[in-house]
Amino acid sequence: DAKTTQPNSMESNEEEPVHLPCNHSTISGTDYIHWYRQLPSQGPEYVIHGLTSNVNNRMASLAIAEDRKSSTLILHRATLRDAAVYYCILRAGGANNLFFGTGTRLTVIP
Amino acid sequence: DAGVIQSPRHEVTEMGQEVTLRCKPISGHDYLFWYRQTMMRGLELLIYFNNNVPIDDSGMPEDRFSAKMPNASFSTLKIQPSEPRDSAVYFCASSFGGQPTGEQYFGPGTRLTVT
Repeated sequence: DAKTTQPNSMESNEEEPVHLPCNHSTISGTDYIHWYRQLPSQGPEYVIHGLTSNVNNRMASLAIAEDRKSSTLILHRATLRDAAVYYCILRAGGANNLFFGTGTRLTVIP
Repeated sequence: DAGVIQSPRHEVTEMGQEVTLRCKPISGHDYLFWYRQTMMRGLELLIYFNNNVPIDDSGMPEDRFSAKMPNASFSTLKIQPSEPRDSAVYFCASSFGGQPTGEQYFGPGTRLTVT
């Protein structure tokens, strides 16, 4: 499975935007980019996914580089409830299993 | 829907004992996944099922671990005999294969402590 690289940790001030980067230089043409997050003492939850184009949903936006070798999860206004570990995952097209890396631990400062 | 249900939420047992973890997936989902999370190894996929049939069990650590899915609404993960290194949080997740996102819905997890 193609590998992703994320910073171990990031900090953000409350109410400010957060950009969480992910590198995936070995991504293949059929790999989808998925983001999940894990709040403290909970199971992971789906955030967003994309293939080539930028994507928006109620939780976040996903910006995908033109060469697809990197992507950025954007939280437009961080709240204390967004403090979590964020995982960037490559999912092969047609595959149903996910492989989680170490993720980025986001701390939101009041 | 109540979401993915796991029981028990916490389990403390002694080394050598049998442990059974239980999972009820979301109704209508045809995929079920078992994960294990530790500080050292992070979140690992152990096994997953499609329509109650095990598809990939390559993540199961050893023969002490076994998983079954007797019907679409119930799965078990059994450890026999348990060892201290099995201490972890075990998550069950389910998904609907027909959903393009492949979104997996996770349960709250079972925290297992083996002393």
